[in-house]
Amino acid sequence: NAGVMQNPRHLVRRRGQEARLRCSPMKGHSHVYWYRQLPEEGLKFMVYLQKENIIDESGMPKERFSAEFPKEGPSILRIQQVVRGDSAAYFCASSHSGTGTVQETQYFGPGTRLLVL
Amino acid sequence: KQEVTQIPAALSVPEGENLVLNCSFTDSAIYNLQWFRQDPGKGLTSLLLIQSSQREQTSGRLNASLDKSSGRSTLYIAASQPGDSATYLCAVYGQNFVFGPGTRLSVLP
Repeated sequence: NAGVMQNPRHLVRRRGQEARLRCSPMKGHSHVYWYRQLPEEGLKFMVYLQKENIIDESGMPKERFSAEFPKEGPSILRIQQVVRGDSAAYFCASSHSGTGTVQETQYFGPGTRLLVL
Repeated sequence: KQEVTQIPAALSVPEGENLVLNCSFTDSAIYNLQWFRQDPGKGLTSLLLIQSSQREQTSGRLNASLDKSSGRSTLYIAASQPGDSATYLCAVYGQNFVFGPGTRLSVLP
C-alpha cells in the first residue's frame, strides 16, 4: 500500500526556468493539498484540489504558480520563471475525503526540495 | 515507528478561559514540531514551529513548549475566543511528517 509519492525528490533549476512538481496521492484518495516550507519556517498551505477542481487556492502566490489535478495522473504544481525565493521544500498531502470532515487525516509525501540557482 | 498522541480529544470551554492542549510523541529524533489549526473546508494552518533545539515559541495568544527528552509538547491558548474553535493538530517531522489525531476545541460565547 504505497503512500503519497512525490517526484522528483530534489530539483535544481536556474532562474527563469520552469519547475514541475508531481504528486501521486494514496490509492483511493481524491483530495490533494500542496504545502510549502521555506527555510526555517513552518509549513504553509498553498492549494487544495479535488479531481479536476481547485477547491481552495488562497495560499497560492498570485503569479507564476499554478496547480492541477487531472482526472488521470498525478497532481502537478507548476512554477514558471523561478526565482531564488522559490527555493523551498514542497509537500503534497492527500486524504480520502475532504476537509469538510474536520478529522479527516492528511497523509504527507516526502516532499520535493527545490533549489533555484 | 513514530507515534503521536493528543489529549484531550475534544474540549469545550467558555470564552475567556486559558487552556492547554497536550501532544506526546514516542521518538525524540525529530527535526521540529509544529502545531496546526484545521478548519472545515480549509487546508492546515501552521500556528507555531519549534525546532528541535528550541524549548518554546510564542505568537500572540499562543505559546508552545517542547520537551524533546520526554517526548512532550503543549500548546497554551490565552483568553480563548469563539474564533479559536477548530481542530488543533500536533505534528512532528523526523523521517516524515507524523500527525497526532487532533484536539477538537469549541469556545462558547
